[in-house]
Amino acid sequence: AQSVTQLDSQVPVFEEAPVELRCNYSSSVSVYLFWYVQYPNQGLQLLLKYLSGSTLVESINGFEAEFNKSQTSFHLRKPSVHISDTAEYFCAVSEKDSSYKLIFGSGTRLLVRP
Amino acid sequence: NAGVTQTPKFRVLKTGQSMTLLCAQDMNHEYMYWYRQDPGMGLRLIHYSVGEGTTAKGEVPDGYNVSRLKKQNFLLGLESAAPSQTSVYFCASRIPLGGRTYEQYFGPGTRLTVT
Repeated sequence: AQSVTQLDSQVPVFEEAPVELRCNYSSSVSVYLFWYVQYPNQGLQLLLKYLSGSTLVESINGFEAEFNKSQTSFHLRKPSVHISDTAEYFCAVSEKDSSYKLIFGSGTRLLVRP
Repeated sequence: NAGVTQTPKFRVLKTGQSMTLLCAQDMNHEYMYWYRQDPGMGLRLIHYSVGEGTTAKGEVPDGYNVSRLKKQNFLLGLESAAPSQTSVYFCASRIPLGGRTYEQYFGPGTRLTVT
């Protein structure tokens, strides 16, 4: 069965500092990988995804994530964070089957301080 | 496009009462999903549907029922609410059959409190 682990429940960081949010998964089959962001009192928005091809994927607002198959990881990084990046970030996996169900990690709250 | 909408946004129920949460999407999506979000647990799948007239159980289906009579709507029912069902409920949908982007689009959520 699939599972997703986000070891850090909260990551405090100062504005303009770099950040890495960790995500590890387990699955016996090929998967698709996603990062979603949730701002306070809102739904989830897709941040970026890995389906196939290049293992480094980027978002339009400066985040990037790298798929590492040998380490079964999909860590999220940003070289310089802004106050507006304060949110909860969820890593999710989907097996390549007919239902495309998402299995989510428990989330990491990124708290950017001035 | 309104995207994925959920009704109601907030609700307070007493133990034993019933209610139905409505999810609607105007994107012609085939797949629809209901999740619940609890602190420290991420989102967990309750039920899902891969097309009109179909439903299937997810990870935490007990105490919930669903129906997908119309392609654009996915209803989540609680027949006899319990305090353990206090949560934020999210609906999501996925692009039409044969599409290749794979991500799910989420509604704004329904915050349910059972006292």
